Amino acid sequence: AQKVTQAQTEISVVEKEDVTLDCVYETRDTTYYLFWYKQPPSGELVFLIRRNSFDEQNEISGRYSWNFQKSTSSFNFTITASQVVDSAVYFCALSETVNRDDKIIFGKGTRLHILP
Amino acid sequence: DVKVTQSSRYLVKRTGEKVFLECVQDMDHENMFWYRQDPGLGLRLIYFSYDVKMKEKGDIPEGYSVSREKKERFSLILESASTNQTSMYLCASSPVAAETDEQYFGPGTRLTVT
Repeated sequence: AQKVTQAQTEISVVEKEDVTLDCVYETRDTTYYLFWYKQPPSGELVFLIRRNSFDEQNEISGRYSWNFQKSTSSFNFTITASQVVDSAVYFCALSETVNRDDKIIFGKGTRLHILP
Repeated sequence: DVKVTQSSRYLVKRTGEKVFLECVQDMDHENMFWYRQDPGLGLRLIYFSYDVKMKEKGDIPEGYSVSREKKERFSLILESASTNQTSMYLCASSPVAAETDEQYFGPGTRLTVT
């Protein structure tokens, strides 16, 4: 069965610090997709990134970077030089490709507080 | 830009009332989803639909039903609202693609059942 674990329930860091959000997943499928979403205080989930299981290259987008390691079933998210606007709940998610329905399994989220 | 809208941001209903939550997307997506979000539990899938008049149960369908009469609209129905259905409800949509595509979310409806 597929499962996504975000062990960090809540994190607080001071602005400009780097912070890493952990994500560990379980799946029996060899082809799957991993996602990160951000949920700001306004409530709407915002898509950040999608990774397929065959692409282990790390990705960087501005201050955001993602480290995908199949050997440890992890897909961690790092924010460099954090800003107050990064305060949000972040969800890691997993989707397998076996079924047509494109269901996504979400982790329980990590609430990130960036303190000014 | 994909836009997913939900009929209400905040809703207060009484126990036993029938409640309709509406979701509309404007990007001709085939797939639509309803989740509820509760503190410490993350997002849990209630129902989803991959075509008009088609529906599939998610992880927690009990106490809910859905309706998809038109491609752009997916309704969540609480036949007889109960206090344990107080939650944030999120609607999402996604296109059918050769590979799994990301879901686009609406702003959510915070439902309180008293």
